Amino acid sequence: DAGITQSPRHKVTETGTPVTLRCHQTENHRYMYWYRQDPGHGLRLIHYSYGVKDTDKGEVSDGYSVSRSKTEDFLLTLESATSSQTSVYFCAINGDRSGNTIYFGEGSWLTVV
Amino acid sequence: RKEVEQDPGPFNVPEGATVAFNCTYSNSASQSFFWYRQDCRKEPKLLMSVYSSGNEDGRFTAQLNRASQYISLLIRDSKLSDSATYLCAVIPGATNKLIFGTGTLLAVQP
Repeated sequence: DAGITQSPRHKVTETGTPVTLRCHQTENHRYMYWYRQDPGHGLRLIHYSYGVKDTDKGEVSDGYSVSRSKTEDFLLTLESATSSQTSVYFCAINGDRSGNTIYFGEGSWLTVV
Repeated sequence: RKEVEQDPGPFNVPEGATVAFNCTYSNSASQSFFWYRQDCRKEPKLLMSVYSSGNEDGRFTAQLNRASQYISLLIRDSKLSDSATYLCAVIPGATNKLIFGTGTLLAVQP
């Protein structure tokens, strides 16, 4: 299995609190992605990174920020969590532009109450 | 219009049946195409990449139609273990984004 881990795997938080999800890889891959998955919407790209300190917005970036200060870590932050951000979040890593080496983490289940 | 669209299903088929999924994409400059499989409460896993010439892996065949901007996945001789959600994914244009369709749920019945 690809060396990609997400933490925390499960979290319950209150509306208005900040939350940070971490994606850690040991593959030294250049590209990293954060998705959320909701019923009826499939996987939607939140933000992605194409290198250290190089990030860009995806389809549903409002309410989220990211940081990548080193190759192995890609952090997703919800500055002030809302109930609409209750979801399962998946991180993915990609070794090249072809996309043939894309692997997903096991997911982080976030509930905002 | 969404960048990638799929019929959400569900597709309920008997064991041994042949089933086909289609997925359309909007960016004509897209270069990379994939099919992923996702089991309930698990992460998506790459099933196969889709090449211009079409490609086959056992019971699975993937094809690309650039003129009509769609990709397809054919599963022959369906097994119970094929029950899952199948997601298509596209890297649009010259970006590094991987955009997914909503997924199609397949249930293979005994």
